[in-house]
Amino acid sequence: RKEVEQDPGPFNVPEGATVAFNCTYSNSASQSFFWYRQDCRKEPKLLMSVYSSGNEDGRFTAQLNRASQYISLLIRDSKLSDSATYLCVVNPYGSSARQLTFGSGTQLTVLP
Amino acid sequence: EAQVTQNPRYLITVTGKKLTVTCSQNMNHEYMSWYRQDPGLGLRQIYYSMNVEVTDKGDVPEGYKVSRKEKRNFPLILESPSPNQTSLYFCASSFPLSAGGTGELFFGEGSRLTVL
Repeated sequence: RKEVEQDPGPFNVPEGATVAFNCTYSNSASQSFFWYRQDCRKEPKLLMSVYSSGNEDGRFTAQLNRASQYISLLIRDSKLSDSATYLCVVNPYGSSARQLTFGSGTQLTVLP
Repeated sequence: EAQVTQNPRYLITVTGKKLTVTCSQNMNHEYMSWYRQDPGLGLRQIYYSMNVEVTDKGDVPEGYKVSRKEKRNFPLILESPSPNQTSLYFCASSFPLSAGGTGELFFGEGSRLTVL
């Protein structure tokens, strides 16, 4: 079983739609979680960290469910510019940041 | 401007010809890492470094070497490249959580390597 698993998609949604991605992780001791965004042929960039209580940044909401070992990303009112691959990132070694583990990514295309 | 700089950005080489991909960061980050990205496999860590002269293997270290003689630089060395090392390579750095940072990884723009 992979340490971090994501649905690869692709997700094709119309502008204005709400879309949600899930990501599961295998190491119950994982302490830190992130969502990164990667545009085609570009470097990944941090979208948001995921906190235990859940957090929101504008149209983006991240949730953590430790009991079921998954994190989620919700995008409301999708924009064309949200088209990208979204990477789930987990630190399986607690706070050391020694070896972040990346999911394979979920591809999102927002259609006009 | 805070950044991670990789060179070269694109390279086509032949099997067995040693090459080095340089990586430099200007953010005084302790942690640096190399990843390769292949279709369907996502980002896989090759090597990482927690500080100067401290390096360790990631998930896929075979065929690669690294060094960390200075804090800002973390070159990736392919002593004898093979076609299965054709990939997109990213260098990244961060101020880790363990040192009081945010743990956010800052990536270079990537180096696309083709080994014939």
